[in-house]
Amino acid sequence: SQTIHQWPATLVQPVGSPLSLECTVEGTSNPNLYWYRQAAGRGLQLLFYSVGIGQISSEVPQNLSASRPQDRQFILSSKKLLLSDSGFYLCASGKQSYSYEQYFGPGTRLTVT
Amino acid sequence: GQQLNQSPQSMFIQEGEDVSMNCTSSSIFNTWLWYKQEPGEGPVLLIALYKAGELTSNGRLTAQFGITRKDSFLNISASIPSDVGIYFCAGQSKPGASGSRLTFGEGTQLTVNP
Repeated sequence: SQTIHQWPATLVQPVGSPLSLECTVEGTSNPNLYWYRQAAGRGLQLLFYSVGIGQISSEVPQNLSASRPQDRQFILSSKKLLLSDSGFYLCASGKQSYSYEQYFGPGTRLTVT
Repeated sequence: GQQLNQSPQSMFIQEGEDVSMNCTSSSIFNTWLWYKQEPGEGPVLLIALYKAGELTSNGRLTAQFGITRKDSFLNISASIPSDVGIYFCAGQSKPGASGSRLTFGEGTQLTVNP
């Protein structure tokens, strides 16, 4: 079974500072990878997804970017954080097949001050 | 874009009671998934449904893929305090679509009083 790791678990950053959140996946190869943001414990907003190394699709225009330098590594970044970037960031992994199940990591709580 | 209407938004029940929640859509879905999220953690997949009319159980949880393919139901029998959390439905409507993206409901917050 898949295991998704995320770090850091929590992060407090000042407005205007850079951001790098990392997600790694074990137990599968060539997965689809996803970054979601969750505000106030409700509603999952898809930010980015990737079907392979270097292939990133953005779902919403925003202050964030994503990269996939390795098959099982997915990174969420920002050059300058905004207050509105605060939230709970979740990485998910899914198989590249007709199984649409996605498995989530433990999440990163980001507070921008 | 597609939307899933999940209801109720919240439930406050006594331990031992049964729980029912549902998701509806104006679009047809080919896959329905149910997740549970506890505070400060990522969602955990509970049940996956792939065929219209399918009824699947996981312990005290039972979920059904609606026959119209536009809805799904989750039932929890004999609730216990550890059932507390937010339950999300998710659907996939485009087989083979790039990225296999899911549409999520807004969640049902379940509180169980001992």
